[in-house]
Amino acid sequence: GQSLEQPSEVTAVEGAIVQINCTYQTSGFYGLSWYQQHDGGAPTFLSYNALDGLEETGRFSSFLSRSDSYGYLLLQELQMKDSASYFCAVHGGSQGNLIFGKGTKLSVKP
Amino acid sequence: SAVISQKPSRDICQRGTSLTIQCQVDSQVTMMFWYRQQPGQSLTLIATANQGSEATYESGFVIDKFPISRPNLTFSTLTVSNMSPEDSSIYLCSVETWDRGRPEAFFGQGTRLTVV
Repeated sequence: GQSLEQPSEVTAVEGAIVQINCTYQTSGFYGLSWYQQHDGGAPTFLSYNALDGLEETGRFSSFLSRSDSYGYLLLQELQMKDSASYFCAVHGGSQGNLIFGKGTKLSVKP
Repeated sequence: SAVISQKPSRDICQRGTSLTIQCQVDSQVTMMFWYRQQPGQSLTLIATANQGSEATYESGFVIDKFPISRPNLTFSTLTVSNMSPEDSSIYLCSVETWDRGRPEAFFGQGTRLTVV
Protein backbone atom coordinates (compact mmCIF):
# COMPACT_ATOMS: atom_id res chain seq x y z
CA GLY A 1 0.00 0.00 0.00
CA GLN A 2 0.89 3.66 -0.01
CA SER A 3 1.40 5.55 3.22
CA LEU A 4 2.93 8.71 4.58
CA GLU A 5 3.58 9.08 8.28
CA GLN A 6 3.95 12.38 10.08
CA PRO A 7 3.29 13.46 13.66
CA SER A 8 -0.27 14.49 14.34
CA GLU A 9 0.52 17.49 16.51
CA VAL A 10 3.46 19.71 17.39
CA THR A 11 3.57 22.65 19.79
CA ALA A 12 6.31 25.29 19.90
CA VAL A 13 6.83 28.85 21.08
CA GLU A 14 7.34 31.97 19.05
CA GLY A 15 10.86 32.38 17.78
CA ALA A 16 11.67 28.71 18.12
CA ILE A 17 12.60 26.17 15.46
CA VAL A 18 10.44 23.15 14.74
CA GLN A 19 11.00 20.14 12.51
CA ILE A 20 8.14 18.09 11.09
CA ASN A 21 9.20 14.67 9.86
CA CYS A 22 7.62 12.61 7.13
CA THR A 23 8.33 9.03 6.14
CA TYR A 24 6.72 7.58 3.07
CA GLN A 25 6.07 4.30 1.38
CA THR A 26 4.65 4.66 -2.10
CA SER A 27 4.69 2.72 -5.34
CA GLY A 28 5.80 5.70 -7.40
CA PHE A 29 7.95 8.62 -6.34
CA TYR A 30 8.86 11.75 -8.20
CA GLY A 31 9.29 14.06 -5.26
CA LEU A 32 8.09 15.20 -1.85
CA SER A 33 6.07 18.36 -1.37
CA TRP A 34 4.90 20.27 1.68
CA TYR A 35 1.67 22.19 1.97
CA GLN A 36 0.34 24.52 4.64
CA GLN A 37 -3.34 24.77 5.46
CA HIS A 38 -4.87 27.22 7.91
CA ASP A 39 -8.21 26.36 9.48
CA GLY A 40 -10.97 26.95 6.96
CA GLY A 41 -8.51 27.63 4.17
CA ALA A 42 -7.17 25.81 1.16
CA PRO A 43 -3.78 24.11 1.15
CA THR A 44 -0.95 26.28 -0.15
CA PHE A 45 2.34 25.11 -1.54
CA LEU A 46 5.49 25.49 0.55
CA SER A 47 8.25 23.41 -1.00
CA TYR A 48 9.23 20.52 -3.22
CA ASN A 49 12.21 18.18 -3.14
CA ALA A 50 12.98 15.81 -5.96
CA LEU A 51 16.61 15.19 -5.08
CA ASP A 52 18.38 14.48 -1.83
CA GLY A 53 19.33 17.48 0.18
CA LEU A 54 18.05 20.68 1.67
CA GLU A 55 15.94 23.32 -0.06
CA GLU A 56 15.66 26.67 1.65
CA THR A 57 12.93 29.24 1.13
CA GLY A 58 13.08 32.03 3.63
CA ARG A 59 12.20 30.77 7.10
CA PHE A 60 11.18 27.39 5.75
CA SER A 61 13.50 24.60 4.63
CA SER A 62 12.74 21.12 3.41
CA PHE A 63 14.96 18.07 3.31
CA LEU A 64 14.75 14.80 1.45
CA SER A 65 16.58 11.49 1.68
CA ARG A 66 15.34 9.20 -1.05
CA SER A 67 17.33 6.23 0.23
CA ASP A 68 15.63 6.54 3.62
CA SER A 69 12.18 7.46 2.19
CA TYR A 70 12.28 10.35 4.61
CA GLY A 71 11.91 14.08 4.56
CA TYR A 72 11.29 16.94 6.91
CA LEU A 73 10.06 20.49 6.96
CA LEU A 74 12.02 22.91 9.12
CA LEU A 75 10.36 26.10 10.27
CA GLN A 76 12.59 28.74 11.83
CA GLU A 77 11.81 31.91 13.77
CA LEU A 78 8.29 30.69 14.38
CA GLN A 79 5.51 33.23 14.28
CA MET A 80 1.95 32.98 15.51
CA LYS A 81 0.73 32.99 11.93
CA ASP A 82 2.60 29.72 11.35
CA SER A 83 -0.07 27.95 13.43
CA ALA A 84 -1.63 25.68 10.81
CA SER A 85 -1.67 22.12 9.55
CA TYR A 86 1.28 20.96 7.48
CA PHE A 87 0.98 18.12 5.02
CA CYS A 88 3.70 16.20 3.32
CA ALA A 89 2.67 14.84 -0.06
CA VAL A 90 4.29 12.48 -2.49
CA HIS A 91 4.15 13.41 -6.13
CA GLY A 92 3.53 10.05 -7.69
CA GLY A 93 4.24 10.72 -11.32
CA SER A 94 3.31 12.43 -14.50
CA GLN A 95 -0.39 12.23 -13.78
CA GLY A 96 0.12 14.97 -11.24
CA ASN A 97 -1.86 13.50 -8.42
CA LEU A 98 -0.60 13.98 -4.91
CA ILE A 99 -0.78 11.49 -2.08
CA PHE A 100 -1.07 13.38 1.18
CA GLY A 101 0.02 12.50 4.67
CA LYS A 102 -2.45 12.87 7.52
CA GLY A 103 -1.09 16.27 8.42
CA THR A 104 0.66 17.78 11.42
CA LYS A 105 -1.16 20.44 13.39
CA LEU A 106 1.34 23.03 14.55
CA SER A 107 0.41 25.30 17.41
CA VAL A 108 2.67 28.27 18.07
CA LYS A 109 2.40 29.71 21.57
CA PRO A 110 3.44 33.18 22.70
CA SER B 1 0.43 30.01 -10.93
CA ALA B 2 -3.29 29.42 -11.14
CA VAL B 3 -6.34 30.90 -9.52
CA ILE B 4 -9.35 28.66 -9.01
CA SER B 5 -12.84 29.86 -8.33
CA GLN B 6 -14.91 27.17 -6.63
CA LYS B 7 -18.57 27.32 -5.75
CA PRO B 8 -20.61 26.94 -3.74
CA SER B 9 -18.43 27.59 -0.73
CA ARG B 10 -20.82 25.70 1.50
CA ASP B 11 -24.19 24.03 1.39
CA ILE B 12 -26.57 22.09 3.56
CA CYS B 13 -28.41 19.41 1.63
CA GLN B 14 -31.10 16.85 2.29
CA ARG B 15 -30.18 13.20 2.07
CA GLY B 16 -31.04 11.62 -1.23
CA THR B 17 -30.44 14.81 -3.21
CA SER B 18 -27.47 15.77 -5.37
CA LEU B 19 -25.12 18.73 -5.35
CA THR B 20 -22.94 19.93 -8.19
CA ILE B 21 -19.71 21.75 -7.38
CA GLN B 22 -18.08 23.95 -9.98
CA CYS B 23 -14.47 24.97 -10.47
CA GLN B 24 -13.23 27.60 -12.87
CA VAL B 25 -9.51 28.05 -13.49
CA ASP B 26 -7.96 31.25 -14.82
CA SER B 27 -5.74 29.36 -17.26
CA GLN B 28 -5.96 26.26 -19.43
CA VAL B 29 -4.85 23.08 -17.70
CA THR B 30 -4.78 19.50 -18.88
CA MET B 31 -5.78 17.81 -15.65
CA MET B 32 -7.98 18.85 -12.78
CA PHE B 33 -8.15 16.93 -9.53
CA TRP B 34 -10.97 16.51 -7.07
CA TYR B 35 -10.23 15.83 -3.40
CA ARG B 36 -12.28 15.19 -0.31
CA GLN B 37 -11.19 16.31 3.14
CA GLN B 38 -12.89 15.61 6.42
CA PRO B 39 -12.33 18.52 8.84
CA GLY B 40 -8.98 18.07 10.54
CA GLN B 41 -8.09 15.15 8.29
CA SER B 42 -6.00 14.53 5.22
CA LEU B 43 -6.94 15.07 1.59
CA THR B 44 -8.12 12.04 -0.34
CA LEU B 45 -8.09 12.07 -4.12
CA ILE B 46 -11.48 11.26 -5.62
CA ALA B 47 -10.68 11.47 -9.32
CA THR B 48 -8.60 13.06 -12.04
CA ALA B 49 -10.46 14.85 -14.80
CA ASN B 50 -9.02 15.26 -18.28
CA GLN B 51 -10.71 17.30 -20.93
CA GLY B 52 -12.28 15.14 -23.62
CA SER B 53 -12.10 11.84 -21.76
CA GLU B 54 -13.72 10.12 -18.84
CA ALA B 55 -12.41 10.90 -15.41
CA THR B 56 -10.14 8.42 -13.67
CA TYR B 57 -11.47 7.43 -10.26
CA GLU B 58 -9.48 6.30 -7.25
CA SER B 59 -10.26 3.16 -5.36
CA GLY B 60 -13.42 3.55 -3.35
CA PHE B 61 -14.95 6.21 -5.59
CA VAL B 62 -17.27 5.46 -8.49
CA ILE B 63 -18.66 7.45 -11.36
CA ASP B 64 -22.29 6.83 -10.45
CA LYS B 65 -21.75 8.46 -7.06
CA PHE B 66 -19.36 11.22 -8.15
CA PRO B 67 -19.95 12.03 -11.82
CA ILE B 68 -17.49 14.56 -13.19
CA SER B 69 -17.69 16.80 -16.22
CA ARG B 70 -14.77 18.47 -17.95
CA PRO B 71 -16.19 20.33 -20.92
CA ASN B 72 -13.10 22.47 -21.57
CA LEU B 73 -9.61 23.19 -20.31
CA THR B 74 -10.67 25.74 -17.68
CA PHE B 75 -13.76 24.24 -16.08
CA SER B 76 -14.92 21.13 -14.27
CA THR B 77 -17.81 20.01 -12.12
CA LEU B 78 -18.14 17.30 -9.50
CA THR B 79 -21.58 16.05 -8.55
CA VAL B 80 -22.18 14.30 -5.26
CA SER B 81 -25.19 12.10 -5.98
CA ASN B 82 -27.83 10.55 -3.75
CA MET B 83 -26.19 12.10 -0.72
CA SER B 84 -26.08 10.58 2.73
CA PRO B 85 -24.68 12.05 5.96
CA GLU B 86 -21.43 10.15 5.28
CA ASP B 87 -20.84 12.47 2.33
CA SER B 88 -20.57 15.45 4.65
CA SER B 89 -17.07 16.75 4.00
CA ILE B 90 -15.03 19.44 2.32
CA TYR B 91 -14.57 18.99 -1.40
CA LEU B 92 -11.66 20.67 -3.15
CA CYS B 93 -10.65 20.97 -6.76
CA SER B 94 -7.02 21.39 -7.70
CA VAL B 95 -4.73 21.94 -10.65
CA GLU B 96 -1.00 21.58 -10.97
CA THR B 97 1.52 23.79 -12.70
CA TRP B 98 5.23 23.26 -13.25
CA ASP B 99 7.76 26.02 -12.77
CA ARG B 100 11.49 25.36 -13.20
CA GLY B 101 11.02 21.64 -12.72
CA ARG B 102 8.94 22.08 -9.62
CA PRO B 103 5.28 21.00 -9.47
CA GLU B 104 2.93 23.18 -7.49
CA ALA B 105 -0.68 22.38 -6.77
CA PHE B 106 -3.28 25.13 -6.47
CA PHE B 107 -6.59 24.56 -4.78
CA GLY B 108 -10.00 26.10 -4.83
CA GLN B 109 -11.30 27.39 -1.53
CA GLY B 110 -13.34 24.27 -1.03
CA THR B 111 -17.01 23.39 -0.70
CA ARG B 112 -18.12 22.55 2.83
CA LEU B 113 -21.00 20.12 2.43
CA THR B 114 -23.31 19.08 5.22
CA VAL B 115 -25.89 16.40 4.53
CA VAL B 116 -28.84 16.23 6.91
